[in-house]
Amino acid sequence: GQNIDQPTEMTATEGAIVQINCTYQTSGFNGLFWYQQHAGEAPTFLSYNVLDGLEEKGRFSSFLSRSKGYSYLLLKELQMKDSASYLCAVVDSNYQLIWGAGTKLIIKP
Amino acid sequence: GAGVSQTPSNKVTEKGKYVELRCDPISGHTALYWYRQSLGQGPEFLIYFQGTGAADDSGLPNDRFFAVRPEGSVSTLKIQRTERGDSAVYLCASSFPVSGSGASYEQYFGPGTRLTVT
Repeated sequence: GQNIDQPTEMTATEGAIVQINCTYQTSGFNGLFWYQQHAGEAPTFLSYNVLDGLEEKGRFSSFLSRSKGYSYLLLKELQMKDSASYLCAVVDSNYQLIWGAGTKLIIKP
Repeated sequence: GAGVSQTPSNKVTEKGKYVELRCDPISGHTALYWYRQSLGQGPEFLIYFQGTGAADDSGLPNDRFFAVRPEGSVSTLKIQRTERGDSAVYLCASSFPVSGSGASYEQYFGPGTRLTVT
């Protein structure tokens, strides 16, 4: 079967750094997406990794290791508006997205 | 430009009734996806269109669910004989077509339709 694992919930402090991990087991791999979803809203795109390594985009960075079936999303200089769910999704061999359940990130002042 | 739009934003229906949910994708996006999302879960894939045809409908839970995209743009998700378990947020997303070289494009999501079956 196909499986995406992420922590259910994490808490961090405003101004700090947090790393959200994602491990996956899928039938094939054609890339990994991270999406942000605020409560009651649709998911919005954050990052896409298809090769191993780190992709940096402002305060957000995403890392991929295909051999380990592992990715993380790193958020720096946390702001209150970063409180949201963060969804990891893998593109499988049929080019369909397999979604994790999401990690709810709570930012405290 | 305009994003993905979905109507209605909320739909309350009685068990056993028929409902239609509409999605209007971003112009130029030939790929269109329907998902279902329950509270605290990630989106659950239902069906994927490439142009007018359903390229993958393996996620439709049973034959009460059907979707069409007759002109390759607007899509309608149809649910017959609704059940309370169908209550969820139904998300539509669109993207550029999947590339044969393996490139994957980000999906742009609409605001969703919250379906409540009473």
